[in-house]
Amino acid sequence: GNSVTQMEGPVTLSEEAFLTINCTYTATGYPSLFWYVQYPGEGLQLLLKATKADDKGSNKGFEATYRKETTSFHLEKGSVQVSDSAVYFCALSGWASKIIFGSGTRLSIRP
Amino acid sequence: KAGVTQTPRYLIKTRGQQVTLSCSPISGHRSVSWYQQTPGQGLQFLFEYFSETQRNKGNFPGRFSGRQFSNSRSEMNVSTLELGDSALYLCASSGTGTGEETQYFGPGTRLLVL
Repeated sequence: GNSVTQMEGPVTLSEEAFLTINCTYTATGYPSLFWYVQYPGEGLQLLLKATKADDKGSNKGFEATYRKETTSFHLEKGSVQVSDSAVYFCALSGWASKIIFGSGTRLSIRP
Repeated sequence: KAGVTQTPRYLIKTRGQQVTLSCSPISGHRSVSWYQQTPGQGLQFLFEYFSETQRNKGNFPGRFSGRQFSNSRSEMNVSTLELGDSALYLCASSGTGTGEETQYFGPGTRLLVL
């Protein structure tokens, strides 16, 4: 079945460091891929998405490229801020609104 | 547009009781999905409703049920609560629920079962 694997956390970085959170997926067909972010005490917010191979999703300085050949959708940001501290979820779309989520990566940014 | 709203935000129940959670989708959205989030199991899909019909269901026991009304508002019910049902329950809405669509999540209802 479809599944998502993302790197374990927690990840701790200093402000202005480069961020990569790895995500790979297994899927039949051509799912859409997403990164969601969850701030403490809140629900999920869509950070970015890509709907087909080689698409790049971007938002708030974050980027991820849909790589079909490596079945990956790694999240990157060139310079992180303290306000980026949150839990990040990689996800893919399934049939009838079902989203399959990875286990989440907790990111902490030190000032 | 107002976002997805969920009520109540917090609930405390005891084992054996039942609970009903409510979700109001974004205006115009017809698809509502429910997810359970726990530290151990992560985010798991419960079910999805579209135009008052359940279209998709996750791997949860029959104690978990839901429904959708003609105005697209949805409720989920958990009967005979168990300690393991303690979780954050999230609902999400989208226009038609196709794979490419963005799903918008509510803030969640945090359920504690004692």
